[in-house]
Amino acid sequence: GQNIDQPTEMTATEGAIVQINCTYQTSGFNGLFWYQQHAGEAPTFLSYNVLDGLEEKGRFSSFLSRSKGYSYLLLKELQMKDSASYLCAGSGYSTLTFGKGTMLLVSP
Amino acid sequence: NAGVTQTPKFQVLKTGQSMTLQCAQDMNHEYMSWYRQDPGMGLRLIHYSVGAGITDQGEVPNGYNVSRSTTEDFPLRLLSAAPSQTSVYFCASSYSRGGTAFTEAFFGQGTRLTVV
Repeated sequence: GQNIDQPTEMTATEGAIVQINCTYQTSGFNGLFWYQQHAGEAPTFLSYNVLDGLEEKGRFSSFLSRSKGYSYLLLKELQMKDSASYLCAGSGYSTLTFGKGTMLLVSP
Repeated sequence: NAGVTQTPKFQVLKTGQSMTLQCAQDMNHEYMSWYRQDPGMGLRLIHYSVGAGITDQGEVPNGYNVSRSTTEDFPLRLLSAAPSQTSVYFCASSYSRGGTAFTEAFFGQGTRLTVV
């Protein structure tokens, strides 16, 4: 299975850097996704790692270590609009298994 | 190009009523899924489909039925609504790249369902 664990809440200051960690069981795993979800809205895709290493997309980066069952999402130069829930999801052949999400609150 | 369209956006049902949540995508994606999202529980998979005519159960299938007669549509039926089915429901579609890796899921805007 793919139990996905991530912290429930995190707080950070505008302009800072924050790292959101995600751990998972490695059986039946193809890749690791990160989604952003603002309150009352649908999740939107942020990044995807299928190989070990770092993927960078502007202010967002995601890292994966398959052997350790570990990923993180790094958000740089935090903005108030980054206050949202961040969902870690493992992919099987045709579906996603989500963690419970990390609520990030960015304060001025 | 509308992406994934869900209807209705909001619905209130009485216990025991049945209804169908509609989901349509215009991206010719082969994979479609239904999730429910409850506070503190994250997104949980109800049913999914890997192509027209093929469906399978997810983590929380009880009380729900699905069918996939076309690539575009994947309706979710609540057979006899219960208060425990009060939730936000999301439909998602995606495709495979090269027949192997599952690619990012595109989500509909959600249906907020209340069962009283």
